[in-house]
Parts: sequence; structure tokens; C-alpha cells
Amino acid sequence: EPEVTQTPSHQVTQMGQEVILRCVPISNHLYFYWYRQILGQKVEFLVSFYNNEISEKSEIFDDQFSVERPDGSNFTLKIRSTKLEDSAMYFCASGIADTQYFGPGTRLTVL
Amino acid sequence: AQSVTQLGSHVSVSEGALVLLRCNYSSSVPPYLFWYVQYPNQGLQLLLKYTTGATLVKGINGFEAEFKKSETSFHLTKPSAHMSDAAEYFCALNAGNNRKLIWGLGTSLAVNP
Repeated sequence: EPEVTQTPSHQVTQMGQEVILRCVPISNHLYFYWYRQILGQKVEFLVSFYNNEISEKSEIFDDQFSVERPDGSNFTLKIRSTKLEDSAMYFCASGIADTQYFGPGTRLTVL
Repeated sequence: AQSVTQLGSHVSVSEGALVLLRCNYSSSVPPYLFWYVQYPNQGLQLLLKYTTGATLVKGINGFEAEFKKSETSFHLTKPSAHMSDAAEYFCALNAGNNRKLIWGLGTSLAVNP
């Protein structure tokens, strides 16, 4: 059964550095999403992406963040100048119609 | 505005006992409702969903949930808990196809032998 994959599983970075989180969505899906979960808090929506552009974004998704689908298979989340509060589990999802399917997540630790 | 509330951050049951995990929602439009499960060190797996039609929906691993509009609830149940059901369970909603998911805080289910 096809599944969403994410790399790396764990990323440690220094504050102020840039990170790129990678996702490979399910191949016939058209919508792609990023969510994050800070330890002990709710899962939060960051952004959705369709037809090579952002379709919806939250107030969290500011200029520090960007998304890209560089090659028709990967879907990336770039975080520029990371902050301590960016430490979280980041989930990628892909969807078709009413259901979103999630990857295993990338745990980002900012030191 | 939409929101999801899960009552009880931790639920503990004995193996073989009924599992009941509570979810209430608030939505200004007819919601689509979902339960996801997260096993330790794994991602979010869809258990079941309600979009339209039959209000009692069945999912994987023997779980089911009933959409009750009058009570704005979508509680998750399983008649007999198994040790392998120990996990974190999340209720979520969205306003329709391809829209963002709004999440509850999650309920950690422990199953005691």
C-alpha cells in the first residue's frame, strides 16, 4: 500500500540555521500539507499546496517558512533562520478528496 | 470558527473492557470528522472518518464512531480493548474536501492486562 515518506526522521540544528524537511507524497495525490506538533500541544496546520501553489496557510506560516515541489515527487518545507520554538514534530500529508494521509514525521530539534 | 475538544487526556482500561474516547466539536459548517491513531514512534494513521451519509462509521481494528449532530459529538468506541490498542488517539475535523484539519489535543489510551 502506498504511503507518505519523510526524511530525515530526526534533525538537529543550531538556532539561526536553515533546515529543509523532505516528503514524498503518495503519487496520485494532488494536495499536500505540512503540520507540526510541539511537544504537549495540539497538531497545528501550517500550509496546504495544490497545483504548484499555496492553497491555504496559517498565521504560523510566515516569511520564515516556504514550501516547494521541486521535481514532481518531493515536497519540501524550508525553515529559514530556525528558532528554539521551531522545535517540534513536523508531519507531511498528502490527500485526495476528503482524506489526508500522513507520513511518520520529522522530529526537529533546535539547539 | 472550528474547534475540537477531546475530554480526557489519559484514559486507562483493562484488556477486554469497552473503550470510549470522547470528542466534541464546534463548527459553523457541516464538518467532516476523523479519528487518527499514533502508535509510539510512528506517524498518524487514519482510523475512520465521517463525511456524509451513515452516522455510525466503522474503522480499522474494530473501532467505530457515531456522529451526533445534536450533541456535536463524534465519540470513538471499541467493544473490547486489546493490548495493541495502546496509543495516542486524535480527533480532527475540517470544513470539506482538501481543507486544513483542526485537531484535538489527543487522548493517550493505556490498556492494562
